Amino acid sequence: GAVVSQHPSWVICKSGTSVKIECRSLDFQATTMFWYRQFPKQSLMLMATSNEGSKATYEQGVEKDKFLINHASLTLSTLTVTSAHPEDSSFYICSARHRTGTSGYNEQFFGPGTRLTVL
Amino acid sequence: AQSVTQLGSHVSVSEGALVLLRCNYSSSVPPYLFWYVQYPNQGLQLLLKYTTGATLVKGINGFEAEFKKSETSFHLTKPSAHMSDAAEYFCAVSDRDNQGGKLIFGQGTELSVKP
Repeated sequence: GAVVSQHPSWVICKSGTSVKIECRSLDFQATTMFWYRQFPKQSLMLMATSNEGSKATYEQGVEKDKFLINHASLTLSTLTVTSAHPEDSSFYICSARHRTGTSGYNEQFFGPGTRLTVL
Repeated sequence: AQSVTQLGSHVSVSEGALVLLRCNYSSSVPPYLFWYVQYPNQGLQLLLKYTTGATLVKGINGFEAEFKKSETSFHLTKPSAHMSDAAEYFCAVSDRDNQGGKLIFGQGTELSVKP
């Protein structure tokens, strides 16, 4: 259980185009999803927190008009990179959390990541 | 603000040797603590976590970590390295409010295992 998928696993696009990445919780309902970005040989940086039915909360320095996040259902969140440029090339990873439990830690489950290359 | 420091971006050990990956956190209140492993071009796999209770935590693949509040540390160990342990390892923390939330990751440590 607790499987998170991402689609596509990799994508190559031309500069100036937009790319949509999907994150799905396959066997549980995720009220919260997180989007991370990872540059080669670097750590993961949180980009935004996405709550179902509400606007995403972006981390400082992340352009919300550049990285559009939609969490329209309890099993799907999307990240759209608008007008992509080569500097947006990166590995994008999402994670998802169950509905909030009564107490204690509520675990995140990670997707396999999406490799974006912008030419 | 919370931060996580992993000492050593690269660690190399021989097969069968002890693995020790270091992690220190900076937080006024002990956070939730995690170790994740990442293989090339893949997502993250949780090795183990400390939320409450016993400070020595056992995880998958023979790994364990000990939470030491006095040292603000959560070092990862494995008694005997295997070739398949070669990967990138990330220590992470999250606040205890909101049942944990966003994860703050360390810089990562690349583990190499020599035959």
